[in-house]
Amino acid sequence: KNEVEQSPQNLTAQEGEFITINCSYSVGISALHWLQQHPGGGIVSLFMLSSGKKKHGRLIATINIQEKHSSLHITASHPRDSAVYICAVKGNTDKLIFGTGTRLQVFP
Amino acid sequence: NAGVMQNPRHLVRRRGQEARLRCSPMKGHSHVYWYRQLPEEGLKFMVYLQKENIIDESGMPKERFSAEFPKEGPSILRIQQVVRGDSAAYFCASSVGGYNEQFFGPGTRLTVL
Repeated sequence: KNEVEQSPQNLTAQEGEFITINCSYSVGISALHWLQQHPGGGIVSLFMLSSGKKKHGRLIATINIQEKHSSLHITASHPRDSAVYICAVKGNTDKLIFGTGTRLQVFP
Repeated sequence: NAGVMQNPRHLVRRRGQEARLRCSPMKGHSHVYWYRQLPEEGLKFMVYLQKENIIDESGMPKERFSAEFPKEGPSILRIQQVVRGDSAAYFCASSVGGYNEQFFGPGTRLTVL
């Protein structure tokens, strides 16, 4: 079993829909990252959080440390949001442990 | 303030050649991380370096791979005698400190023929 699990693996949505991507982890962590990767592209850090909730534009990230669970929400989704979204956790060491990613496609 | 820079963006090597991948961290960042993304797989940690020191190389293959981050200049990931299985995207990230947010470079896509 992977230390970081994401669901769903693949997600399709119509433009304007509210989207939720989930991340569960089995190790103790100091922080959790949400990353975005476009096909053939680089990786953009969306959020780093260790508790509570963060919001940036149409993106919201929440984390529940007790339940070892985080969610990434996208409000009013747009085709340009189509990408792979990756959850990564930082445990007791400084290296990141990655989930396998959620591939999101938003259709107009 | 430029972001994390990696070069080359694409690198083609024949089996048995050497590959050198460069990473220049963001200004003010002294911590560098290298990650590998094999085709259709997730990202995996390789090595974590601070200036002139390797802090954690637990994800680095024992043979053919080495990394350095000299006092001056970029961090270098070196792969000797490349094999087809080394074909992957190699990402570098940098941070101010070990517990700070990591910022990623655009990656180097290595293809071994």
